[in-house]
Amino acid sequence: EAQVTQNPRYLITVTGKKLTVTCSQNMNHEYMSWYRQDPGLGLRQIYYSMNVEVTDKGDVPEGYKVSRKEKRNFPLILESPSPNQTSLYFCASTRLAGVGEQYFGPGTRLTVT
Amino acid sequence: RKEVEQDPGPFNVPEGATVAFNCTYSNSASQSFFWYRQDCRKEPKLLMSVYSSGNEDGRFTAQLNRASQYISLLIRDSKLSDSATYLCVVNKEGNNDMRFGAGTRLTVKP
Repeated sequence: EAQVTQNPRYLITVTGKKLTVTCSQNMNHEYMSWYRQDPGLGLRQIYYSMNVEVTDKGDVPEGYKVSRKEKRNFPLILESPSPNQTSLYFCASTRLAGVGEQYFGPGTRLTVT
Repeated sequence: RKEVEQDPGPFNVPEGATVAFNCTYSNSASQSFFWYRQDCRKEPKLLMSVYSSGNEDGRFTAQLNRASQYISLLIRDSKLSDSATYLCVVNKEGNNDMRFGAGTRLTVKP
């Protein structure tokens, strides 16, 4: 089954404790991205990757890091989480940048206290 | 001005009603347009792409008006299962510049 998976689905953590949210897709898509969704603001892009070893900042990259060592995986790293990073995070992939449907993972609800 | 703006909602309609959502976008160079559906606490899923000539998929009709820079979604004969948030998405062909509207919430009541 074609899908995007994320882990963990729910996470409560404390300020400053490094965490990683994993994202994996099995569709051989080149383009992957991370979004955060906050009430009234819609989805905002954090980082994206056009292909392996190619990443770039989206609209709200501050406080986040990503890597793309393999085509299928695109982890999101919060080196020192802060309460304003409490949000719902979605990973997404698409075959090519800017073309066609984006497939989203199930979401990760993060709370930073 | 936001790059993609949607009707604020919420829309509360009875079963069987016809409901329409509009979405305006600011970038006149935008090339690709989509409507996504998002159920509560779930991931967005593609509902339909929006083509220049307009397109229909069952009870759903999408229209694009380039001159006025808006897209619309019409839902006929609303079902309870149509209750969701509808996201307008606009991007510029060939790059990553995908912008989401904040969404319009629809509740269809018996």
